[in-house]
Amino acid sequence: GAVVSQHPSWVICKSGTSVKIECRSLDFQATTMFWYRQFPKQSLMLMATSNEGSKATYEQGVEKDKFLINHASLTLSTLTVTSAHPEDSSFYICSAIGSGTINTGELFFGEGSRLTVL
Amino acid sequence: DAKTTQPTSMDCAEGRAANLPCNHSTISGNEYVYWYRQIHSQGPQYIIHGLKNNETNEMASLIITEDRKSSTLILPHATLRDTAVYYCIVRVASNAGNMLTFGGGTRLMVKP
Repeated sequence: GAVVSQHPSWVICKSGTSVKIECRSLDFQATTMFWYRQFPKQSLMLMATSNEGSKATYEQGVEKDKFLINHASLTLSTLTVTSAHPEDSSFYICSAIGSGTINTGELFFGEGSRLTVL
Repeated sequence: DAKTTQPTSMDCAEGRAANLPCNHSTISGNEYVYWYRQIHSQGPQYIIHGLKNNETNEMASLIITEDRKSSTLILPHATLRDTAVYYCIVRVASNAGNMLTFGGGTRLMVKP
């Protein structure tokens, strides 16, 4: 299957700093990318949907000024957690869908990035 | 997208078949059934999907009832590495902007 890679896989930062997480589709062009957040022992919750070259669509309750999403190319989307606080500590996961799988609908997920804010 | 109902947890003996059920009684005609699993601290992994017919691949088999209101994921010979949370999701395949909505899933514990 298609490969989606996230970086970094884990990051620790101080409260008030900003952290950027990258999501790359390695062997296909990702027309749409999704960002999820997962707290311990909970399911994945969608944060936002981004299409290449356009602004991301955020889910209700997700602050767009705090979680900046950029999808500048067909192989890269970034999530920046601005002015991070301890309650932002979570497992962040991206997924992507490409032109080759639009009709069959499989989504491919990154390995996840664990953010710990001290 | 139609909602799904899965048992919260299941146990399975190593080497035996693991049968994970999923109810999706409100599924519509153009919605596919997808299965993903998530091993601890990793991103979800695609397993299999189907519309009406039973499907099989190198990982698992998917059995969909004739009325499509339920399905079963079968891991034919479960190993310890199959311990994970398994998610059953239904969605319209061709709607690229339609994200996957994850429910609680089934936590499968494969025991030696």
